[in-house]
Amino acid sequence: AQSVTQLGSHVSVSEGALVLLRCNYSSSVPPYLFWYVQYPNQGLQLLLKYTSAATLVKGINGFEAEFKKSETSFHLTKPSAHMSDAAEYFCAVSGPDVTGTASKLTFGTGTRLQVTL
Amino acid sequence: DAGVTQSPTHLIKTRGQQVTLRCSPKSGHDTVSWYQQALGQGPQFIFQYYEEEERQRGNFPDRFSGHQFPNYSSELNVNALLLGDSALYLCASSSGLAGAEQFFGPGTRLTVL
Repeated sequence: AQSVTQLGSHVSVSEGALVLLRCNYSSSVPPYLFWYVQYPNQGLQLLLKYTSAATLVKGINGFEAEFKKSETSFHLTKPSAHMSDAAEYFCAVSGPDVTGTASKLTFGTGTRLQVTL
Repeated sequence: DAGVTQSPTHLIKTRGQQVTLRCSPKSGHDTVSWYQQALGQGPQFIFQYYEEEERQRGNFPDRFSGHQFPNYSSELNVNALLLGDSALYLCASSSGLAGAEQFFGPGTRLTVL
């Protein structure tokens, strides 16, 4: 079984400050890891994904995440927060099923990022 | 490319009724997954369709059923609606390859009164 834990349901940062959203995973198979962002009343948009290539993954809008197998973590960072980054962020894990094809996404409970002036 | 589209946008039903939600996948995608997102929660996997068959299923009762058509579009049906079925229902499409990105639609907001 796979699971994801996101520490901190709410994170508040000042504009221009570092953003750090935490995600720890549990998986019995090599995982695929994803970060999605959700703006109010919208669907989910992919920020970045890890699929066993480089451990440091760069995504859209200046976000990046580092896969650390020893810590089973995949934390999301951005050097300088912008007001437009205020949204809900979800970490998700999946793994190939027995046929080697796409598997379901298991999401964390989400972290709401607030950016203040 | 229109991306993933879902209809309707909003829906209000009463307990015991039945509902059908629709999804058209992104062009080139053959795999459709459905998720339920309750207020303040992360999305929960309902099931996934590939080649018109249910390939994976999450921990949802049989009241939740689906279908995929030859053009890869999909329907989610929920029978005997309960108040707890009120949620945002998200459809996602992908290429079906392991690790492939799932593209999400805007969702259907279902309210059960």
